Amino acid sequence: GAVVSQHPSRVICKSGTSVKIECRSLDFQATTMFWYRQFPKQSLMLMATSNEGSKATYEQGVEKDKFLINHASLTLSTLTVTSAHPEDSSFYICSANSDRGGAYNEQFFGPGTRLTVL
Amino acid sequence: QQQVKQSPQSLIVQKGGISIINCAYENTAFDYFPWYQQFPGKGPALLIAIRPDVSEKKEGRFTISFNKSAKQFSLHIMDSQPGDSATYFCAASTASGSRLTFGEGTQLTVNP
Repeated sequence: GAVVSQHPSRVICKSGTSVKIECRSLDFQATTMFWYRQFPKQSLMLMATSNEGSKATYEQGVEKDKFLINHASLTLSTLTVTSAHPEDSSFYICSANSDRGGAYNEQFFGPGTRLTVL
Repeated sequence: QQQVKQSPQSLIVQKGGISIINCAYENTAFDYFPWYQQFPGKGPALLIAIRPDVSEKKEGRFTISFNKSAKQFSLHIMDSQPGDSATYFCAASTASGSRLTFGEGTQLTVNP
């Protein structure tokens, strides 16, 4: 099946530093990738939609200068949390639409990245 | 109008029982309704999905029932097992894009 990986799986950083999270589609090309954040016992909240080679579309309330998204290739998207603060601590999950023409709009999710900002 | 309402928030079922989770939506443009299963510390995994042209879809122990007029859909897990204990999310998307709108989630516990 379609596999999406994320790296790192967990990261701990000091307040004020920047953290980069990678999302890769391993066996398919993803024209569109999505970034979500999830707080404990809550649902997934879409942060942004990224298309290869173009600027990401951010959801209302998401600071695009704080959460930098780059979708440089059909298999890689990165999320950089700039000047991270403790309130940015969360579970970040990416997903990707497969280009294999399977189930309509089927999204495949990565395993998530646990970010803890001290 | 973009919301998807999910209930119950939590559910406890005995092994072998039927787990039922319900979702309701307002946006009539939604035309794809997937259910995801998520274990703690993991990303969601697609369980089963349905489109409005059918009223029911079954895959193994999992069944989606869809009521277009009521704008509701539900997940039934037959013969529930302790390994089914997880959080389940319903979602919906429109034909014009692939953006998923998620329900609030249901934490299912299946007791042995």
